[in-house]
Amino acid sequence: DGGITQSPKYLFRKEGQNVTLSCEQNLNHDAMYWYRQDPGQGLRLIYYSQIVNDFQKGDIAEGYSVSREKKESFPLTVTSAQKNPTAFYLCASSIRQWRNTIYFGEGSWLTVV
Amino acid sequence: GNSVTQMEGPVTLSEEAFLTINCTYTATGYPSLFWYVQYPGEGLQLLLKATKADDKGSNKGFEATYRKETTSFHLEKGSVQVSDSAVYFCALSDLTSGTYKYIFGTGTRLKVLA
Repeated sequence: DGGITQSPKYLFRKEGQNVTLSCEQNLNHDAMYWYRQDPGQGLRLIYYSQIVNDFQKGDIAEGYSVSREKKESFPLTVTSAQKNPTAFYLCASSIRQWRNTIYFGEGSWLTVV
Repeated sequence: GNSVTQMEGPVTLSEEAFLTINCTYTATGYPSLFWYVQYPGEGLQLLLKATKADDKGSNKGFEATYRKETTSFHLEKGSVQVSDSAVYFCALSDLTSGTYKYIFGTGTRLKVLA
C-alpha cells in the first residue's frame, strides 16, 4: 500500500542529544513537510522540501535540521539546540500541482528525559 | 497573509445530534480548502476537500461548502456518532511565491456522548 511511514513511533531523548526521526514515502510525491504539534495545539511547520536536494525553513526551524537526498526520504534531526523538543512530530507529503492534497504519516512522539 | 480560523473547542454533543464546526479563511489567491480529522495518537486523515467556490466536499456523512462570498468552509454532519469523537482541522492550500503552502487552523475537539 502507498503511504508515509514514520519511525520510530516513540522516542526518548536525553538532554544534549541529537535524535533523528525518519520519514519515508512511496507515493512518488515531490514535496515533503515536517510539522510539530504540541498537546492541544495546532500544527506548526518546521521545514519543507519541494524537490530533492532543496529545502526551506518553516515557521519554527531553529534547533532542527533536515536533508533531502532522495525523493522518498526526508529525515528530521532534532538537535540539542532545540530547548523544548517534547512534542508530536508529523511528516507529510504532496504532489506539486494546483489544488493538491497533503497526506500525513502516523506521527512520532519525542520525549525528553 | 493567508490564515485559517476555526471555532474553539471542545464541542460536546449527544449521539445523533447535529454538528457544525465553523471555519473561515483569509487568502490572497484561490485556495483549495480541506477538513482533516485526527484520532488520538495518530496523524491527520483527509476527511473532505473543495477546490473552488460553491464546491461541496462530502465524506462519511460530513459535508462542507466552499463559500467565497463569506470566506467560509463550515463542517456539518446531520447525526454524529461516538466514533466521530476526534480533533478536526480546517486547512487551506495556496500557491505563494512559487511554493505550495498549507495553513491549518488550531483544531476543534469533538466529543460525542452515548
